Amino acid sequence: SAVISQKPSRDICQRGTSLTIQCQVDSQVTMMFWYRQQPGQSLTLIATANQGSEATYESGFVIDKFPISRPNLTFSTLTVSNMSPEDSSIYLCSVEGAASDPSTDTQYFGPGTRLTVL
Amino acid sequence: AQSVSQHNHHVILSEAASLELGCNYSYGGTVNLFWYVQYPGQHLQLLLKYFSGDPLVKGIKGFEAEFIKSKFSFNLRKPSVQWSDTAEYFCAVNETGGSYIPTFGRGTSLIVHP
Repeated sequence: SAVISQKPSRDICQRGTSLTIQCQVDSQVTMMFWYRQQPGQSLTLIATANQGSEATYESGFVIDKFPISRPNLTFSTLTVSNMSPEDSSIYLCSVEGAASDPSTDTQYFGPGTRLTVL
Repeated sequence: AQSVSQHNHHVILSEAASLELGCNYSYGGTVNLFWYVQYPGQHLQLLLKYFSGDPLVKGIKGFEAEFIKSKFSFNLRKPSVQWSDTAEYFCAVNETGGSYIPTFGRGTSLIVHP
């Protein structure tokens, strides 16, 4: 499968600050996705990031709170802005397909970033 | 809109016991179905998937799942679990030929006692 790395793996942040999470993929991909996984909950899609265009946000998520960059086909960042304790969650990056499974109907996930906001 | 239900939120088994995790979805069209697993401290991994063909799908580590269209179900099974199967299991579905973005269930936490 595609090798997806995220930085940082975890962080503890103060209320009101912002954190930028990086996602790096070892191959070029068209679509990258950002998910949130809150404690005891399922995965919720935040936005879809295409290279060269603005991200598409899901209902309940806005660009001012979760700005996303996609400067090239192997990299994306998600910023969690003006954080509050409710933003404590695991944030996951994912891509479609992989070297071993080029099907674009299957998503593969990074290791996640565990964020705790105090 | 699609929805995915995993009825068992927490399952505790002893080693060698048989496992079946339920997954039901609501969508009237043709779907692709997935099971993902997240071992403690590790990232989400694809366990198996169904797109078409034989409704009994075999995945990694001895897991299998059966798609029963009439019941809108895609239950995950393993005849004999091991301690190393302790993990969180997520069922997911997306539309065939439609939005490739999957809808996930809430997950089932499986603890296997040695």
